Amino acid sequence: EAAVTQSPRSKVAVTGGKVTLSCHQTNNHDYMYWYRQDTGHGLRLIHYSYVADSTEKGDIPDGYKASRPSQENFSLILELASLSQTAVYFCASKTGGYEQYFGPGTRLTVL
Amino acid sequence: TQTVSQSDAHVTVFEGDSVELRCNYSYGGSIYLSWYIQHHGHGLQFLLKYYSGNPVVQGVNGFEAEFSKSDSSFHLRKASVHWSDSAVYFCAVSNTGANTGKLTFGHGTILRVHP
Repeated sequence: EAAVTQSPRSKVAVTGGKVTLSCHQTNNHDYMYWYRQDTGHGLRLIHYSYVADSTEKGDIPDGYKASRPSQENFSLILELASLSQTAVYFCASKTGGYEQYFGPGTRLTVL
Repeated sequence: TQTVSQSDAHVTVFEGDSVELRCNYSYGGSIYLSWYIQHHGHGLQFLLKYYSGNPVVQGVNGFEAEFSKSDSSFHLRKASVHWSDSAVYFCAVSNTGANTGKLTFGHGTILRVHP
């Protein structure tokens, strides 16, 4: 079964600070995704990657950067965290099909 | 651009009842439809999918969904729910032509099953 882990699981950040969320998968999946989930809403795609050292913008990329240094690792970077970026962030991976495997999520609170 | 609409934000039933969670989508091309479940405090887990063929697809734990092109729908059903089915259910659509695997999610339906 696909294993996607995220760290940290919870984080409190200050406005204007830098935040890095990490994702690691152990199943040799090519594709990885970062989503954010806001209360009462579905998930929205921030960035994704289909190969190491390359990332693509999703539907809401503003204020976020992504890094894929290896097939297993995919990071989401908030250079200047803002209040509006308080949310739960999910990482997911997939192989050739469309089924995605999700991590447990990171709850980010920006104060 | 594809969109997904889940018209019911909340559905409450009793254990043993049947339930249908509705999903409507808009997209003119070839799509892949799926349902995911999210238990409180956890990530999403895949339930079932439809791409082609038999419009009624079976998933885990007794869930099934039926695709209707004429209604642009992909409703999820279960004949007899258990309290453990209480969760948030997300319908998702992907454009198969884009080859990115990007999923567009509905806002989710919170299912509460009373014992």
